[in-house]
Amino acid sequence: RKEVEQDPGPFNVPEGATVAFNCTYSNSASQSFFWYRQDCRKEPKLLMSVYSSGNEDGRFTAQLNRASQYISLLIRDSKLSDSATYLCVVNRRSQGNLIFGKGTKLSVKP
Amino acid sequence: EAQVTQNPRYLITVTGKKLTVTCSQNMNHEYMSWYRQDPGLGLRQIYYSMNVEVTDKGDVPEGYKVSRKEKRNFPLILESPSPNQTSLYFCASSRTDRGFKETQYFGPGTRLLVL
Repeated sequence: RKEVEQDPGPFNVPEGATVAFNCTYSNSASQSFFWYRQDCRKEPKLLMSVYSSGNEDGRFTAQLNRASQYISLLIRDSKLSDSATYLCVVNRRSQGNLIFGKGTKLSVKP
Repeated sequence: EAQVTQNPRYLITVTGKKLTVTCSQNMNHEYMSWYRQDPGLGLRQIYYSMNVEVTDKGDVPEGYKVSRKEKRNFPLILESPSPNQTSLYFCASSRTDRGFKETQYFGPGTRLLVL
């Protein structure tokens, strides 16, 4: 099992759609979880951290299920500007050792 | 402006010619890290540093060296580059106040081609 696995995508959705991304991780000792966004050929940028109780930031909702070692990201009312690759990130053996998923590409169409 | 800078942004070199990619941050961050990104493989961590003079290997450290003599700088050194080190490299930094819950700020990337 890969350390961090994501839906491969691509996800092609119309504007206004709700889309969900899933991510599983293999290390039960992981403590830090994030979703990053990366636009084509640009640097990744933090979208949101993921907390045990789940958290929401506007149209974005992140959930963590430690028992299933599963992280999700829900995007409501998709905008054209949401088109990007979304990266699931988990820490491994030490706080500084981060593992990135390969990313899920989202394309929002008019 | 808070930022992470990398230089050079683009580099073409030949096998075996030592090179250094510089990374500097102006946010007084303790943590800094280097990643490489390759198609189909995603972002992989090369080395990271929790503070000055403290460095540790990531997942793909072979063929790379780093140093952290000052808080703001974290250069990546390729002593003898090989074609399989052709990649897009990112430097990143963050605070560590809240364990590791802080945002990582990435530099703009360095595209390296080794012939």
